[in-house]
Amino acid sequence: GAVVSQHPSWVICKSGTSVKIECRSLDFQATTMFWYRQFPKQSLMLMATSNEGSKATYEQGVEKDKFLINHASLTLSTLTVTSAHPEDSSFYICSARDQGAWGHGYTFGSGTRLTVV
Amino acid sequence: DAKTTQPTSMDCAEGRAANLPCNHSTISGNEYVYWYRQIHSQGPQYIIHGLKNNETNEMASLIITEDRKSSTLILPHATLRDTAVYYCIVRVASGTGTASKLTFGTGTRLQVTL
Repeated sequence: GAVVSQHPSWVICKSGTSVKIECRSLDFQATTMFWYRQFPKQSLMLMATSNEGSKATYEQGVEKDKFLINHASLTLSTLTVTSAHPEDSSFYICSARDQGAWGHGYTFGSGTRLTVV
Repeated sequence: DAKTTQPTSMDCAEGRAANLPCNHSTISGNEYVYWYRQIHSQGPQYIIHGLKNNETNEMASLIITEDRKSSTLILPHATLRDTAVYYCIVRVASGTGTASKLTFGTGTRLQVTL
């Protein structure tokens, strides 16, 4: 089945630094990937849609200059949290769908727990 | 995408069937019902989907009412590993080459107990 690898699984960084999270589709190509954020005991909130070879589409209220998304290939999207602050501490999750298949299931990465101290 | 309503939480004894309801009274004719679950500190996992017929796979069964305004996800023999948050999502299907966004509601927190 389709596999999405997300790295790192957890990271601790100092306030003011930047953190990059990678999302890879291992056995399929994905023109589009999605980035979510989840705070404790809350649901997943879509942050942005990552489009291969073009600019990401951000949801309302998400700062595009703070959450930089790069989708340079059909199998890799990255999310960079710039100048991280404690309020950015959260669980970040990516997802993708095999664009070559008429399928219904979206595959999710295992998530990255970011703690900013 | 149509809005869904799910109970906040449910309990189920291990070995018994877990029946998770979902209301989607504003569902459109071309919208599917999808179920995902999220085990603590992991990414969501696809379970099953359906349009109007009942569906079954190795994980679960999906029962959709005739008017399609509600559905029930059935885990026939719940185990402790099925403890998770279950999300019911209603949306149109994506064709090849397209992938539209998936929006999550609050879901149902299922606790399976001994």
